[in-house]
Amino acid sequence: DGGITQSPKYLFRKEGQNVTLSCEQNLNHDAMYWYRQDPGQGLRLIYYSQIVNDFQKGDIAEGYSVSREKKESFPLTVTSAQKNPTAFYLCASSIKLLRRLLDYTFGSGTRLTVV
Amino acid sequence: AQKITQTQPGMFVQEKEAVTLDCTYDTSDPSYGLFWYKQPSSGEMIFLIYQGSYDQQNATEGRYSLNFQKARKSANLVISASQLGDSAMYFCAMREGSGGAGSYQLTFGKGTKLSVIP
Repeated sequence: DGGITQSPKYLFRKEGQNVTLSCEQNLNHDAMYWYRQDPGQGLRLIYYSQIVNDFQKGDIAEGYSVSREKKESFPLTVTSAQKNPTAFYLCASSIKLLRRLLDYTFGSGTRLTVV
Repeated sequence: AQKITQTQPGMFVQEKEAVTLDCTYDTSDPSYGLFWYKQPSSGEMIFLIYQGSYDQQNATEGRYSLNFQKARKSANLVISASQLGDSAMYFCAMREGSGGAGSYQLTFGKGTKLSVIP
């Protein structure tokens, strides 16, 4: 079955460390996204990528970095510059459909905690 | 100004009853789409229903229907015959414009926590 795989499900990080969250999709979707979710809040866009080797900042990109070397993969690095990294991180991918214009699929998320 | 507003932080509904979750949006783009997602406690986002700005009829998907009032910029989700498994967070989201092929950012509301009472 096609889908998006995020790993790990839970991640603990010490202050000052960089960590990388994995996101892999086998849906053949062109676009991929990273969202952050804080308690009681909706999702906020960190970065997105429309094609391989290209990506754009979203609303809250500071302290994060991404790469898109393969169509299937869009890893997110949370750097030590991110002041408050504890959050739930969701990866998504999308493809254009005739009716809905957009098929948006989410992964199951990574919960990052700074200890 | 918020682009997506969900004014109900929490809602309760009796099992087998219908419930309406409110969503208002703000955009000046004539081409947009509205989505509703369900997020159970496990965290995954489950797509429920979609309404395009040019769609003539309100969207329906099984027990879910969207009450789309374009002039009022509202896109309320109606869940009929609520089930215990409907207890979750519900998010309204919007995409605007016609970005690059296959790439559309979604803007999310803050969500409504629905609790279904037996």
